[in-house]
Amino acid sequence: DAMVIQNPRYQVTQFGKPVTLSCSQTLNHNVMYWYQQKSSQAPKLLFHYYDKDFNNEADTPDNFQSRRPNTSFCFLDIRSPGLGDAAMYLCATSRDRGGYEQYFGPGTRLTVT
Amino acid sequence: EDQVTQSPEALRLQEGESSSLNCSYTVSGLRGLFWYRQDPGKGPEFLFTLYSAGEEKEKERLKATLTKKESFLHITAPKPEDSATYLCAVQTYYNNNDMRFGAGTRLTVKP
Repeated sequence: DAMVIQNPRYQVTQFGKPVTLSCSQTLNHNVMYWYQQKSSQAPKLLFHYYDKDFNNEADTPDNFQSRRPNTSFCFLDIRSPGLGDAAMYLCATSRDRGGYEQYFGPGTRLTVT
Repeated sequence: EDQVTQSPEALRLQEGESSSLNCSYTVSGLRGLFWYRQDPGKGPEFLFTLYSAGEEKEKERLKATLTKKESFLHITAPKPEDSATYLCAVQTYYNNNDMRFGAGTRLTVKP
């Protein structure tokens, strides 16, 4: 089945230690998104790639970076995780921007110790 | 600023007790309104897209409707497996087509 895959499902990192989360998709969608979701809150968009074009949300901290080396893969890098960065990180894809539904992966639960 | 508000925050129903969830929005230039279901510890699962006032979509026990100010997710004769958080989200023409989510309604259906 075509799908969105996230690895790892659970990640524990130390305060200030860089961490990378990965996302892959078999849907061949143009757009890939990264969201941060904290407990009982709405998913918050961090950034998205429209093909190779990177679009950062204005309030996304510089501590968060992303890479999309090809259509299928996208990475979220957190350069110096703080305790406040502990959250569920969701990757999503859509066929295109503008009116298309997004398909989400299962998420990566990040714990910062 | 675009706003999406869902109510109630939490809803407990008995199996078979029909009800509705509300999503009200204040946005300029609605392009689409989306409903998702999210189970604990998982990513949201797409349910419906609504594009214009008066539109309705149905899937099993769920029916979504849209007006110019709000959307309803009607749940008819719910079952315990319908327990989840239901999220609505909007896309507009003026915000680079990004999707803005509401905080969700946590639905619990007791047998």
